[in-house]
Amino acid sequence: EVQLVETGGGLVQPGRSLKLSCVASGFTFNNYWMSWTRQAPGKGLEWVASITNSGGSTYYPDSVKGRFTISRDNAQNTLYLQMNSLRSEDTATYYCTRRGGHYFDYWGQGVMVTVSS
Amino acid sequence: DIVMTQGALPNPVPSGESASITCQSSKSLLHSNGKTYLNWYLQRPGQSPQLLIYWMSTRASGVSDRFSGSGSGTDFTLKISSVEAEDVGVYYCQQFLEYPRTFGAGTKLELK
Repeated sequence: EVQLVETGGGLVQPGRSLKLSCVASGFTFNNYWMSWTRQAPGKGLEWVASITNSGGSTYYPDSVKGRFTISRDNAQNTLYLQMNSLRSEDTATYYCTRRGGHYFDYWGQGVMVTVSS
Repeated sequence: DIVMTQGALPNPVPSGESASITCQSSKSLLHSNGKTYLNWYLQRPGQSPQLLIYWMSTRASGVSDRFSGSGSGTDFTLKISSVEAEDVGVYYCQQFLEYPRTFGAGTKLELK
């Protein structure tokens, strides 16, 4: 059974940093691209970052480019999201997602990040 | 960026009736390989989103055949036949043709 378990969320002040982790199980992690997608409270879905299966290439929307860094440790079956210079508009539930093909076929349960002073 | 625009449902939908959700993209999602890179997801209350349909009309594994996807390069429809209680939630369309990956704002389905 595919499982994606996110950790690392919490309350952080504006301008500070936070690092999310996602431990994957139930599939061969290093065969799949992975992504992070977020959802602000009461709002829709926003793609945040993607990384190739090897970790050699990464992709971001303009809203987080230069502030967020996606990475992975294939030996530990773990995906990361380093978030720097956090803003109030980054407040959201962050989902770890697996890219099955041209779609996100598995989603984690999500982890809440609140940016507030 | 490709903008995804979703239509609303005339909520609530009577149980057992069919419901159709529309989605429009600002650019054709038809790839040169013949596949259309349009996905549908359902987010039930309090849950994570789940994949329903990919490549515009292919049902994901384990998804009921009451769900069907159709459309052209820019106009898409998710049809739910015989709506049930477990179908309640917010439906999102998503384009996977280009970066940034973009979603529609969501369409809420309520049951009568």
